[in-house]
Amino acid sequence: EPEVTQTPSHQVTQMGQEVILRCVPISNHLYFYWYRQILGQKVEFLVSFYNNEISEKSEIFDDQFSVERPDGSNFTLKIRSTKLEDSAMYFCASSVYEQFFGPGTRLTVL
Amino acid sequence: SQQGEEDPQALSIQEGENATMNCSYKTSINNLQWYRQNSGRGLVHLILIRSNEREKHSGRLRVTLDTSKKSSSLLITASRAADTASYFCATDDGNNRLAFGKGNQVVVIP
Repeated sequence: EPEVTQTPSHQVTQMGQEVILRCVPISNHLYFYWYRQILGQKVEFLVSFYNNEISEKSEIFDDQFSVERPDGSNFTLKIRSTKLEDSAMYFCASSVYEQFFGPGTRLTVL
Repeated sequence: SQQGEEDPQALSIQEGENATMNCSYKTSINNLQWYRQNSGRGLVHLILIRSNEREKHSGRLRVTLDTSKKSSSLLITASRAADTASYFCATDDGNNRLAFGKGNQVVVIP
């Protein structure tokens, strides 16, 4: 069964460093998303992407964040200068209709 | 923005019993989706119910939606130890951005 995959599963970085989180959505899906879940809190929407551009973004998704679909399969989330409060589980999702989530990348900012 | 809110927050039941959890939301929705999350893992899509549907079944899962009360319920019948997880409802207002609730922790005791 097709599934969304994410790499790495765990990323540790120093505050101020740039990180890139990678996702491979399900191949026939058209919409792509990033969500995050801070430990003990709700899953929060960050951004949605369709037809090679951002279609929706939340107030969390500020200038520090960017997304890209560099080729036909990958979908990336870049955080330019990480802060302590960026520590969270980051989930990628893709959809035709229902959103299917990847296993997540746990980002730890020290 | 819409907020799914589940009730109760934690539920402990014996294997074989049914588990029911509820979710309320505040604004109009296009659909409502339920997800399961095992500890520290990704979100697994369980079921989607559209705003014009009242009830939906999938295996041992039964979901209801009452748009007049802005609420949904998830029933797991004949629970198994493997059903132990957190369960989240998420609302979609038609813009493909899911708003998640805080989650219900369900523990099924063998």
